Amino acid sequence: AQKITQTQPGMFVQEKEAVTLDCTYDTSDPSYGLFWYKQPSSGEMIFLIYQGSYDQQNATEGRYSLNFQKARKSANLVISASQLGDSAMYFCAMRATGNQFYFGTGTSLTVIP
Amino acid sequence: DTEVTQTPKHLVMGMTNKKSLKCEQHMGHRAMYWYKQKAKKPPELMFVYSYEKLSINESVPSRFSPECPNSSLLNLHLHALQPEDSALYLCASSLEKTGTVNEKLFFGSGTQLSVL
Repeated sequence: AQKITQTQPGMFVQEKEAVTLDCTYDTSDPSYGLFWYKQPSSGEMIFLIYQGSYDQQNATEGRYSLNFQKARKSANLVISASQLGDSAMYFCAMRATGNQFYFGTGTSLTVIP
Repeated sequence: DTEVTQTPKHLVMGMTNKKSLKCEQHMGHRAMYWYKQKAKKPPELMFVYSYEKLSINESVPSRFSPECPNSSLLNLHLHALQPEDSALYLCASSLEKTGTVNEKLFFGSGTQLSVL
């Protein structure tokens, strides 16, 4: 069984600063994918970034980057130059073999002006 | 078209009612998902259809009945629900090439369900 843990229920960051959201996972599958989604108060789930277990380099997408440490089973999301619109819930998720796709408990991020 | 469309956006029903939630995508995706999400909680996987066959049922009570009439359409039939079933119900889809772990989920905007 897969398990995804996000240990930060809530985080605050000053506008224009960088913030790191933590995610650890546990799986026995050698091949897996890690995803981050953003969910604003409106409710839609917005895909941010993906990291594959065999990828050699950390993924980046604009202001989002993923700090992937395979040996430690962590896949932390880094948001640079935070904006007020970044205030939302952030979920780490994992897909292994088969079509199971599970989410972590989430982190609520608040950007302070 | 990169959208997953869910209807209705809001639904209020009594415990004796029968209602259905609808989800549609035209991206050629072959896997479709139902998730249930309570406020400030993560989405909880309910059902997965792969190539129009039910592949995952996460021990969901029988008062929730999924249906996949074709590869573009996914329904969730509701009957005799309880107030604790009130939640946001999210539909998602993915391309679903066998063995590929890099396929992200595309989500609809959800149906906010209230059971009175």
